[in-house]
Amino acid sequence: DQQVKQNSPSLSVQEGRISILNCDYTNSMFDYFLWYKKYPAEGPTFLISISSIKDKNEDGRFTVFLNKSAKHLSLHIVPSQPGDSAVYFCAASVNAGKSTFGDGTTLTVKP
Amino acid sequence: SQTIHQWPATLVQPVGSPLSLECTVEGTSNPNLYWYRQAAGRGLQLLFYSVGIGQISSEVPQNLSASRPQDRQFILSSKKLLLSDSGFYLCAWNVPTGQDSSAFFGQGTRLTVV
Repeated sequence: DQQVKQNSPSLSVQEGRISILNCDYTNSMFDYFLWYKKYPAEGPTFLISISSIKDKNEDGRFTVFLNKSAKHLSLHIVPSQPGDSAVYFCAASVNAGKSTFGDGTTLTVKP
Repeated sequence: SQTIHQWPATLVQPVGSPLSLECTVEGTSNPNLYWYRQAAGRGLQLLFYSVGIGQISSEVPQNLSASRPQDRQFILSSKKLLLSDSGFYLCAWNVPTGQDSSAFFGQGTRLTVV
């Protein structure tokens, strides 16, 4: 049973527009959610996170929204840039323990 | 500053041969250490994690094992590789503070079993 799901394997957007990446989870015990960005042949790098006590966290062009009742979170990138093209992983953890990752969404930002 | 080293970057091994991947962390003490595997087109599957020397938790039954002989050293091993062990292996560390469980990953090892 996959506890963290990213149902869109890929997303393509035009440069300057908004990118919205979605993630759903099933474990109601998750209390911390993270987004990582990964380029080919490299390890993921931490991008942004949100605690379950919040519903929004913003860092520059990146904003993460959390809807606990729907067990859904999303990452918004505005404006999107070609350098944002990468695989984005959603992850969740319980009490700062090990993280469970989704399968990733490949974002392509076209110039 | 903290750094994580993982080697080798690529490895081609025959079926039935042994495996040893090493990961070391610098600039921090008593980190949590993790081994993940990413199969082609899939997400990151947690294989092992360790909260201290000699303490290893296995997440999935498999042909691999892990050891933590020193505080900042994490080793992934196999006695006999299978074709299905091919993948991209990632070591990671974190020091959970409060709720923050954000992890720092190594560059990964691309393992091809032939």
